[in-house]
Amino acid sequence: DAGVTQSPTHLIKTRGQQVTLRCSPKSGHDTVSWYQQALGQGPQFIFQYYEEEERQRGNFPDRFSGHQFPNYSSELNVNALLLGDSALYLCASSSTGNTEAFFGQGTRLTVV
Amino acid sequence: EDQVTQSPEALRLQEGESSSLNCSYTVSGLRGLFWYRQDPGKGPEFLFTLYSAGEEKEKERLKATLTKKESFLHITAPKPEDSATYLCAVRATTDSWGKFQFGAGTQVVVTP
Repeated sequence: DAGVTQSPTHLIKTRGQQVTLRCSPKSGHDTVSWYQQALGQGPQFIFQYYEEEERQRGNFPDRFSGHQFPNYSSELNVNALLLGDSALYLCASSSTGNTEAFFGQGTRLTVV
Repeated sequence: EDQVTQSPEALRLQEGESSSLNCSYTVSGLRGLFWYRQDPGKGPEFLFTLYSAGEEKEKERLKATLTKKESFLHITAPKPEDSATYLCAVRATTDSWGKFQFGAGTQVVVTP
């Protein structure tokens, strides 16, 4: 079992650009959540996808959007990047009816 | 609003020196309290889930306990490999979909 996998591991983008991050959930999981973790802080909830629909959203602007595919994998898109978007982006997968979530290794995004 | 506060922010221990980390939470109703371990630049690794006051879970040198307002993570006779940031998170009963509210974490350094 490969667990939750994210790609890429590191990314450098210029302010104003757009970025797409990818996540494959743990085998048997159908729900994917995305979190942003700034340095020295705990992860902050961005949104959650289930059955290819955004089910819940945190306090993030519309520049942050996502998608879930029929195989349960997911993408996080961020438009018009700001310097403040620099962070570790984490994907967490879970299965309906279970409370635990398992995280990927994250994508370190640096905006310059 | 749900809140999670962890203390101390940082902890430096000698190998073998036992200690405890605190996680205080405010939530309308607790669906679960979660402990994760996070190594630098990596995603959080699941440790424990606690559901009700009085519950305890153990794993190697770690033991988590839960009361109605806080949780403790006890580290017994720590080793250098226990050095990491320990994150606490809660899920509320009002949240049907699995959004985690994280604390900022406690950074633990264990020196030989």
